[in-house]
Amino acid sequence: QVQLVQSGAEVKKPGSSVRVSCKASGFDTFIDDPISWLRQAPGQGLEWMGAIVPMFGTAEKTQKFQDRVTITADTSTTTAYMELSGLTSEDTALYFCARTLSHRANSGAATWIQYSAFTVWGQGTLVTISS
Amino acid sequence: QSALTQPASVSGSPGQSITISCTGTSIGFGAYNLVSWYQQFPGKAPQLLIYEVNKRPSGVSYRFSGSKSGNTASLTISGLQAADEATYFCCSYVGSSVDLGPFILFGGGTELTVL
Repeated sequence: QVQLVQSGAEVKKPGSSVRVSCKASGFDTFIDDPISWLRQAPGQGLEWMGAIVPMFGTAEKTQKFQDRVTITADTSTTTAYMELSGLTSEDTALYFCARTLSHRANSGAATWIQYSAFTVWGQGTLVTISS
Repeated sequence: QSALTQPASVSGSPGQSITISCTGTSIGFGAYNLVSWYQQFPGKAPQLLIYEVNKRPSGVSYRFSGSKSGNTASLTISGLQAADEATYFCCSYVGSSVDLGPFILFGGGTELTVL
């Protein structure tokens, strides 16, 4: 059974950092498929933060999180991690990891990933920022 | 990049069909057929219903179908059931920039009420 299990809820102070883990099991393609990180603020919609292909080890992030998010993966333990720094009250949200269906595109020498859909989701990790 | 636009709420009676629209303004939304739809119950993780406009993952009911025309994608739920009462989100990859990274947009979500 394919599943993603995330670490537990966190309460953090403003200005600090939080690290959320996402353990994959039942995957035969953990190293090949991107793992995305998304978040959902209370009563709000979903927001994609970034993704990593564990085999390559480099992450892509949306512009909003370029400087504050670090996404890594440990292929030996099939676990992905997301660290968010410089926390403010606006970062209070439910954070999800998700296995991602994707396609490789290329034009000349350039290659990039087209992210298609989030197929398997973790249960979510509530991160609360409070002084 | 602006978010995708969905109606805040829709409703229908058991057995009826309803359609939820998702409109994008970026060129990428019309160019790529990488629209997906998710169902979310309160306090739970979203679940994939439709990917690449009209493909259904294994295990998802045939009552859920997707389509797209121009800059508007649609999710149709036929034979409405009480268990379908949830929030539905659309999502689309709309392109990538070397400097700014990938652009993945979500709709604000549509709450479905089964009367």
